[in-house]
Amino acid sequence: SYELTQPPSVSVSPGQTARITCSGDALPKKYAYWYQQKSGQAPVLVIYEDSKRPSGIPERFSGSSSGTMATLTISGAQVEDEADYYCYSTDSSGNHIPWVFGGGTKLTVL
Amino acid sequence: EVQLVESGGGLVQPGRSLRLSCAASGFTFDDYAMHWVRQAPGKGLEWVSGISWNSGSIGYADSVKGRFTISRDNAKNSLYLQMNSLRAEDTALYYCAKDGRFGELLRYWGQGTLVTVSS
Repeated sequence: SYELTQPPSVSVSPGQTARITCSGDALPKKYAYWYQQKSGQAPVLVIYEDSKRPSGIPERFSGSSSGTMATLTISGAQVEDEADYYCYSTDSSGNHIPWVFGGGTKLTVL
Repeated sequence: EVQLVESGGGLVQPGRSLRLSCAASGFTFDDYAMHWVRQAPGKGLEWVSGISWNSGSIGYADSVKGRFTISRDNAKNSLYLQMNSLRAEDTALYYCAKDGRFGELLRYWGQGTLVTVSS
């Protein structure tokens, strides 16, 4: 079955740029999506279709994708950005497609 | 305002069944695909199943295929997950989620309902 690989943890100081990667063989052909989950809360979509930002998400969140790797970038990370981040994608097309999440990356801003 | 409210979770013995429901409001339910996503205690997110607006396209994670059935009732603005042959590893918080209008997958989430499979 398809897998998306993320680093378990990333740590930055406030104001620095945090980059979280997601690796998957189908990412050259399929979009990546990114979700932020703070402790005890439901996930929040922060990036869709590789690089688009939903309304209400701060501009410091951006996404990109190149080859088999998608990257979530938080420019000038804030303490409130400390959370788990998950990428999401698929390797299939058409009906009945299964989707997968990456294993998640714990971002520490400290 | 989009609202998704899950219900039906609880404690169930291994091998038994449970049916989850998700009541949707604040949007035209039959315009959107819907999904179930779960999260085991202390673990990451796992997509469980998804269903298109008219139930014409349905998908399942390998881990639940053949045991879980997703369905929807557009007249009742409700999404369901029938879970049979439950296992300890199905213990998780189950979220209902809705796609957005412009390609934003899993744009809106409920708060989840907890399923515990234990004897």
